[in-house]
Amino acid sequence: RKEVEQDPGPFNVPEGATVAFNCTYSNSASQSFFWYRQDCRKEPKLLMSVYSSGNEDGRFTAQLNRASQYISLLIRDSKLSDSATYLCVVNFISSGSARQLTFGSGTQLTVLP
Amino acid sequence: SQTIHQWPATLVQPVGSPLSLECTVEGTSNPNLYWYRQAAGRGLQLLFYSVGIGQISSEVPQNLSASRPQDRQFILSSKKLLLSDSGFYLCAWSPGEAPRETQYFGPGTRLLVL
Repeated sequence: RKEVEQDPGPFNVPEGATVAFNCTYSNSASQSFFWYRQDCRKEPKLLMSVYSSGNEDGRFTAQLNRASQYISLLIRDSKLSDSATYLCVVNFISSGSARQLTFGSGTQLTVLP
Repeated sequence: SQTIHQWPATLVQPVGSPLSLECTVEGTSNPNLYWYRQAAGRGLQLLFYSVGIGQISSEVPQNLSASRPQDRQFILSSKKLLLSDSGFYLCAWSPGEAPRETQYFGPGTRLLVL
């Protein structure tokens, strides 16, 4: 079983649509959770952290369910510029004390005009 | 503000040739540093991480090695490249102390081994 699992997509949605991505993780000791965005042939960039109480940043809402080991990302009013691959990321403390991130394989989103 | 640099941006190398990729971070001290590889259409694979000068931890046994000769410099090397070494190599840094730290990536080096 993968440590972080995501639906690879692709998700093709019209502009203005609402789209949701889901992610599950296997390590119950995981401490921090993030969504990254990766544009084609570019480096991943932090989109938002995910907090236990859920958090919102403009059109983006992230939710965490520790009991089910489940993370979600909701994008409202999709824009063409939202087209990218969205990576679910989970971290834990390694034996060397560095915080290690485990990345999902990503969910590809294409927003269509 | 902090910035992270990687070079070269792209590289085409023959099988069996050596490799040296460099990563430097500016604007922070004693960062944790990481090397990842992303193969085409796949997720990121952690290769090495370092919590300080001269301290390297390897995640995946392979023909690659890493070194950290200075606090904000991280180097990825190979003595003899394999075809399977092709990929997108990303360096990342994170603050050493923050409990909820995230990682910030450099622009990456795209390596093609022929």
